Amino acid sequence: ILNVEQSPQSLHVQEGDSTNFTCSFPSSNFYALHWYRWETAKSPEALFVMTLNGDEKKKGRISATLNTKEGYSYLYIKGSQPEDSATYLCASPRETDKLIFGTGTRLQVFP
Amino acid sequence: GEEVAQTPKHLVRGEGQKAKLYCAPIKGHSYVFWYQQVLKNEFKFLISFQNENVFDETGMPKERFSAKCLPNSPCSLEIQATKLEDSAVYFCASSQDPGPGYTFGSGTRLTVV
Repeated sequence: ILNVEQSPQSLHVQEGDSTNFTCSFPSSNFYALHWYRWETAKSPEALFVMTLNGDEKKKGRISATLNTKEGYSYLYIKGSQPEDSATYLCASPRETDKLIFGTGTRLQVFP
Repeated sequence: GEEVAQTPKHLVRGEGQKAKLYCAPIKGHSYVFWYQQVLKNEFKFLISFQNENVFDETGMPKERFSAKCLPNSPCSLEIQATKLEDSAVYFCASSQDPGPGYTFGSGTRLTVV
């Protein structure tokens, strides 16, 4: 059984703080790791698709790293803003490309 | 269009009634995926299609759930004789080729009372 796990479950930070959270996944048979940003009642928004060990991707103030050998990815948000408040989901596609999701990290940024 | 359109946004059904959810994938996307989100953000894979063919149905409950993707029609997910535990948000996603990324719809919230 494939388990994708995320921590922490929730995070409350002040505006301007930088923050990071973790996604861990089985390293065997790996071929990609997806990060999504999701607000309730909206579509999950794709942030990154990462495939290579050591990969680092950046989109504005958000960046992610990938370690496929040890099976983890970090998502960083620099200088958090209230509009960053959302649930951040990671997912690993497996055979037939179905996504196995983690349970997400719910981030709340207070002004 | 450039978005995955799911209808309806909300659906309320009495226990035992049928529920039917629709998903129009992005034009040109040949893969469609259905996920069920019940508790604590857990997105559970249900079924996928490649065009009108079932690609992977390993997540579908054996009873009561069925799905179709017919040419020139939105894809559909149907639940016969709904139960309270079917209450969830059902997300559809489509992709041109799986792997590079998926585009999700905004979901249908099914409430069974």
